[in-house]
Amino acid sequence: GQQLNQSPQSMFIQEGEDVSMNCTSSSIFNTWLWYKQDPGEGPVLLIALYKAGELTSNGRLTAQFGITRKDSFLNISASIPSDVGIYFCAGPDSGGSNYKLTFGKGTLLTVNP
Amino acid sequence: SQTIHQWPATLVQPVGSPLSLECTVEGTSNPNLYWYRQAAGRGLQLLFYSVGIGQISSEVPQNLSASRPQDRQFILSSKKLLLSDSGFYLCAWSLPGRQYFGPGTRLTVT
Repeated sequence: GQQLNQSPQSMFIQEGEDVSMNCTSSSIFNTWLWYKQDPGEGPVLLIALYKAGELTSNGRLTAQFGITRKDSFLNISASIPSDVGIYFCAGPDSGGSNYKLTFGKGTLLTVNP
Repeated sequence: SQTIHQWPATLVQPVGSPLSLECTVEGTSNPNLYWYRQAAGRGLQLLFYSVGIGQISSEVPQNLSASRPQDRQFILSSKKLLLSDSGFYLCAWSLPGRQYFGPGTRLTVT
């Protein structure tokens, strides 16, 4: 089946720093999704990307759909303590139901005040 | 707007006891519904999904089962819990190509 590889697995940064994480796949995706999960809560959809090369922002967050369709990047500018959490990338599964998603294993972000 | 509810929020159950977790969605009709489990290692494991009433697809063989008695209700059950069933259970509904998650249920089997 499809796999999504996220890196880094974890990050420890100081408040105010910029953050960059990425997601790669050996197969092509037509949609890239980025979720954030706060501790003890369900993941929340941050950004959805539908077109190769697309660059989309949501506040301090910016995500890009790679031109090869096999990768995506999420950047967070000027991090704040509430950015702490797990960030997941995901994309629709091509092997079965149109409504199933493949998820990466997540990037755990810790922000030191 | 659509809203997804899960209950209970937390649950502590002894090994061998039954389980029933409930998920309901408001503001949409005939949604696709999903149950995921998230262990301490944080990956999301798809357990079941449903495209309609009474239609359940199982992704991972285990001692859990799912049912969808109503259009916007999805239930996760077990007749006898195992220690390995502990985890964070998430319900989700979907639009094409994206999913939206509930707040989750933290299950601890003792």
